[in-house]
Amino acid sequence: DAGVIQSPRHEVTEMGQEVTLRCKPISGHDYLFWYRQTMMRGLELLIYFNNNVPIDDSGMPEDRFSAKMPNASFSTLKIQPSEPRDSAVYFCASSPGTSGRVTDTQYFGPGTRLTVL
Amino acid sequence: DQQVKQNSPSLSVQEGRISILNCDYTNSMFDYFLWYKKYPAEGPTFLISISSIKDKNEDGRFTVFLNKSAKHLSLHIVPSQPGDSAVYFCAASVAYNTDKLIFGTGTRLQVFP
Repeated sequence: DAGVIQSPRHEVTEMGQEVTLRCKPISGHDYLFWYRQTMMRGLELLIYFNNNVPIDDSGMPEDRFSAKMPNASFSTLKIQPSEPRDSAVYFCASSPGTSGRVTDTQYFGPGTRLTVL
Repeated sequence: DQQVKQNSPSLSVQEGRISILNCDYTNSMFDYFLWYKKYPAEGPTFLISISSIKDKNEDGRFTVFLNKSAKHLSLHIVPSQPGDSAVYFCAASVAYNTDKLIFGTGTRLQVFP
């Protein structure tokens, strides 16, 4: 399996523009997670899905952020409008959810480094 | 209101010696703890975990110790190797929401020859 695939790997945009990050989870995984990594706050969970349904979006910083999972093989994280403080590395992770603890079977993608000028 | 804290941003250790990475937490409801390892330009990968019913878990060169009374855990790497140079994240979850991981800010470990 190719693992979790994220695109683009790097994104540079100007303040006010819309940004869309994409994720393809590992086939057969029931859980999908979006994280953001910053120096100050480390890895923060933004939102996660189970069987394409959003379960917890309490980590989404504000209404400018939205995430969708239209099918089991694709998810997007959108920021509209983007701001310089959104600059970070965004990770997608997936999990099969078959073990007793979902948390120790999360597989992360390589991340998207977002820079908002 | 960081619930999982890694107070040392970086650590430098000589090859062959022991590396000790520390993590403190504030939420007494955490019952499961994990360490993830991250190389540059890659996503984090699971390294080792420990349940709150244990105080030690060992996997090869990696051992995690948990001190519940102090709300502290540590990762020991013995012996350290240059390939261990990476960022290490501590994470925790609660029994009533096992899907959700709370991560620390990470510690960058450098192992030099």
